[in-house]
This record gives sequence, structure tokens and C-alpha cells, in this order.
Amino acid sequence: DTAVSQTPKYLVTQMGNDKSIKCEQNLGHDTMYWYKQDSKKFLKIMFSYNNKELIINETVPNRFSPKSPDKAHLNLHINSLELGDSAVYFCASSQLDANEQFFGPGTRLTVL
Amino acid sequence: DAKTTQPTSMDCAEGRAANLPCNHSTISGNEYVYWYRQIHSQGPQYIIHGLKNNETNEMASLIITEDRKSSTLILPHATLRDTAVYYCIEAYNTDKLIFGTGTRLQVFP
Repeated sequence: DTAVSQTPKYLVTQMGNDKSIKCEQNLGHDTMYWYKQDSKKFLKIMFSYNNKELIINETVPNRFSPKSPDKAHLNLHINSLELGDSAVYFCASSQLDANEQFFGPGTRLTVL
Repeated sequence: DAKTTQPTSMDCAEGRAANLPCNHSTISGNEYVYWYRQIHSQGPQYIIHGLKNNETNEMASLIITEDRKSSTLILPHATLRDTAVYYCIEAYNTDKLIFGTGTRLQVFP
């Protein structure tokens, strides 16, 4: 019954590696998002994506790339991981013209 | 950057009303006020939103001043499970949410 799910919940990896975080929503929404919450708890949007448009926050390094195999999934690929990428990453979804975003449980990424 | 300002933290006794203020003095005429909360280690959760009229749902009430420069989120009977960070956000729609630092509400027994 989980509306927005993410895998894995925890990810520990070495600097320089490439990793992916998966997100799936079963709500039939047409827009999905990725957010980053750093150690100071600031929650910042990274991407929003629907089947027509990818909107990228200009502060996001191009090592980060969202990939959507279908409308229900938006995966986050990260190349050449850096220490500063350590954070909790949240996926979310919403329906166009709806009132709320539904968030996933988060993925805690630790880069050593 | 977030355009709203909120107190850093507040306390509330269990069973009492929690009143969380928010200033949004630069809000545009067609921007909504959204409230979300984030319980520890979970993703944010939508609470309520409004444009200019007061709003109420099963979770909370939202009181917006007539000039729309501030609002108050009211949790009528706070419980321990309401302990969370509460975010007040002004946005044209739900696609454009910019989270600030929020108010950390601690509900105590």
C-alpha cells in the first residue's frame, strides 16, 4: 500500500563510486521530484519531472541525473560521488493541479 | 530561498492547542500558503493550504490574516505524535515548494 517508495533505505559507499536510488509511486501521479536534505536539515528540491518537462535546480551538479523509465518511476543516478553528497534524499510525487506532494521515506546516503 | 519566516522552536502541552505562526509579508496575490510537517526520520507530510480564506481539515486549521502577510496553523489538540518540524511555504502551486527552516514543535506530556 506504500504510496511512494524508495530503495535502498540506506546506502554507504566510497568516494568516486557511481550509485542509483530508485523511486516508485503507485498513485498514478504525473509529476515526480527529488529533494536533498543535508546534515543541517535544509530540504532542497533537486529536480521535478513529468512526461513533458524536466526542471533542474541550477545548483545541482551535473553528476546527478534523474531517469524515468515510465511514469511511475523516477530514479536518481549519481556519478563520481563526493563526501558532500552525504545526505538524505527524498522522492515525492504529485498530480498536476493537485494540492499536495506525497513524499517517500527517504534514502540516507553516506559517502566515505 | 524560502520567503517565509517562522520561529525556530515552540513547545506545547499535550491536549492543548498548538498555534504556529508564519510571516509571509512578500506573498503575491495568487500565491498560496502551504503547511507541511516532517516527523523525525520521515518524509514531509502535507497538512493544509489556503489562499485567503481560513481553512480547516481533519488535521488542522489555517488562519490567514486579511492582508495575507501572516498566517497561523492551529493543531487543536496536540498529541505527542505531533512533535515535528512544521514548514510554512508560499507557492503558486504544489510544484514549486521551497522549504525553509521551519518551526520545531515539541509536544510534552
